[in-house]
Amino acid sequence: NAGVMQNPRHLVRRRGQEARLRCSPMKGHSHVYWYRQLPEEGLKFMVYLQKENIIDESGMPKERFSAEFPKEGPSILRIQQVVRGDSAAYFCASSPPGRSYNEQFFGPGTRLTVL
Amino acid sequence: GQQVMQIPQYQHVQEGEDFTTYCNSSTTLSNIQWYKQRPGGHPVFLIQLVKSGEVKKQKRLTFQFGEAKKNSSLHITATQTTDVGTYFCQGGSEKLVFGKGTKLTVNP
Repeated sequence: NAGVMQNPRHLVRRRGQEARLRCSPMKGHSHVYWYRQLPEEGLKFMVYLQKENIIDESGMPKERFSAEFPKEGPSILRIQQVVRGDSAAYFCASSPPGRSYNEQFFGPGTRLTVL
Repeated sequence: GQQVMQIPQYQHVQEGEDFTTYCNSSTTLSNIQWYKQRPGGHPVFLIQLVKSGEVKKQKRLTFQFGEAKKNSSLHITATQTTDVGTYFCQGGSEKLVFGKGTKLTVNP
């Protein structure tokens, strides 16, 4: 049973470009969470999604950031017009249906570097 | 809003010494989760506590959930170099909120 998968593992973008981060949850999991982590800092919640629905996006910047979890395919975190301050590790986590406030299983993360 | 405070932020110990990290919530929690993140790695789920006063053990790790379900601790007995990493608590009530973590370094 494969764990949470994220790709790419490393992503380099120039200022102004778009970054697309993908997350495939564990098999059977229908809840997906995105977190951002700056070096030597904690995990900052961004968004919580279920299939085709955004449940909580209170941690996501209002501009340039968007997330989706379509009926088919991975969850996507999209950052438009990236700036240097967007450089961070972005982690996706998933949890099973019916257990939205329980343990989460994390992917390996995408390290985004904005030049 | 709900806040989860974790102390200390950093802890440096000699191999063989004990280590404890504490987690305090501003609100009563439904449950609490603990995770470990190795340097350069991703958070890995360790355990979940649900009941008031609950104590769980995993080999040298002891996890406690306070009677009021507002605080928790993780204690490691006789640390080893393999214990290095950052330990996070995550409180669950209306939302899941992470503490900022305690970074543990172990001197061999």
